[in-house]
Amino acid sequence: ETGVTQTPRHLVMGMTNKKSLKCEQHLGHNAMYWYKQSAKKPLELMFVYNFKEQTENNSVPSRFSPECPNSSHLFLHLHTLQPEDSALYLCASSSGTANEQFFGPGTRLTVL
Amino acid sequence: SQQGEEDPQALSIQEGENATMNCSYKTSINNLQWYRQNSGRGLVHLILIRSNEREKHSGRLRVTLDTSKKSSSLLITASRAADTASYFCATDAYDYKLSFGAGTTVTVRA
Repeated sequence: ETGVTQTPRHLVMGMTNKKSLKCEQHLGHNAMYWYKQSAKKPLELMFVYNFKEQTENNSVPSRFSPECPNSSHLFLHLHTLQPEDSALYLCASSSGTANEQFFGPGTRLTVL
Repeated sequence: SQQGEEDPQALSIQEGENATMNCSYKTSINNLQWYRQNSGRGLVHLILIRSNEREKHSGRLRVTLDTSKKSSSLLITASRAADTASYFCATDAYDYKLSFGAGTTVTVRA
C-alpha cells in the first residue's frame, strides 16, 4: 500500500457515457497528478495540481476534465471518450513537485 | 514529452544474477528517479539521485548518474523472482514535471 487509493479499479464505458475516476491520498501531500499509461508507450503526464491549483494541463483533450476539491482528493471526469482513450490511468501524489511520487494502483479503462 | 530512454527494452536473467539497465536523457536535470511497476499495477518509487550526486545505494539497488554523459544506470544485485517487473527512469528537468521513459522489462527466471 502506497497511501494512494484509486476507484474504480476497472471501468468499461461506452463512448456516450459519463463517468468519473477518483483518487485519494492519505499522505498529507500537496501535489497530485493524473497520468495515462498506454501499452508500449511511456507514461504521459496529463494534469498537475499543487495546493488544489492546476499547474499543468499537458494538452489534454477537453473530454477529460479534472477536479481537485482539496489536497487529498483528485477526480478525473470522463465524457464522450474514444476507443483510443482506453488505458491505465494512474494517480500520484508528492510532498513537493520535485520529490518522489507515490502512485495509486490505477484504473484500467476500456472504452467500447 | 519523453525525456528518459531506457536500454535495453527487455532483459531476462537467472535468479541470483545481477541486472543492469541504463537510462539516457537529453536536457539538464534537477534529479533522476527510478520506479518499478509490476504488471498492470501502479509504480513504486525505488530511488532518487540528485544532479550533484554520482552514486546512490538502497539495499540491493545501486544507481549511478553521469551528468556529463546524460546517463544513469540501475543495478539490481542477486536478483530474485520478485524483481520481475518493468523499471522506469524519470527525469525532473527543473520544471517540476517528471518525464518517464518507456521502461525496461526484467524477467528473473527461477
